[in-house]
Amino acid sequence: GAGVSQSPSNKVTEKGKDVELRCDPISGHTALYWYRQSLGQGLEFLIYFQGNSAPDKSGLPSDRFSAERTGGSVSTLTIQRTQQEDSAVYLCASSRDRGVHEQYFGPGTRLTVT
Amino acid sequence: GEDVEQSLFLSVREGDSSVINCTYTDSSSTYLYWYKQEPGAGLQLLTYIFSNMDMKQDQRLTVLLNKKDKHLSLRIADTQTGDSAIYFCAERGVRGKLIFGQGTELSVKP
Repeated sequence: GAGVSQSPSNKVTEKGKDVELRCDPISGHTALYWYRQSLGQGLEFLIYFQGNSAPDKSGLPSDRFSAERTGGSVSTLTIQRTQQEDSAVYLCASSRDRGVHEQYFGPGTRLTVT
Repeated sequence: GEDVEQSLFLSVREGDSSVINCTYTDSSSTYLYWYKQEPGAGLQLLTYIFSNMDMKQDQRLTVLLNKKDKHLSLRIADTQTGDSAIYFCAERGVRGKLIFGQGTELSVKP
């Protein structure tokens, strides 16, 4: 594909609802990262997938956050029982594999929790 | 721990050189990066430097790395209004995750 794509581009949800954010990495890229960009915390790593290996979930801020990657391609980040502090831009990035260092970012999903 | 620091704002006149500075703490980082973010857009990889280099030039961009002081800089020659954006310094951490600075907002005045 042309680049990393993310959907939706904007999401407004009520506090307490669950949301799903989607990322389509560049075709053939085996490594996929989720980051969050917020005013208070800047850009922070959330989770990393590499091929069929167990994901690195060390950046997830709470157990309300989870992510999966099906078939080694598309990834979904799920936030359960959203809180106002979850409002942020969620960015996805992919790279060709673990040894290749360039990460290419999608345009992000802006999440607003009211 | 891992930490990356940048100054928050820089203002220059069109045609001048801009220098954006960054300090990092993890001496084992293999790669250091500069990303650009324009309003409402995602992150664009501008350039990177491998940790065994001290300089890299790419057209109008020059990256300088002082590994002893853990200091990284990005120089933009002949800065244009289209260079106005937020610039993020990042180091490569464990498993390739990026640790970002807070971003430097570059304002270019005509």
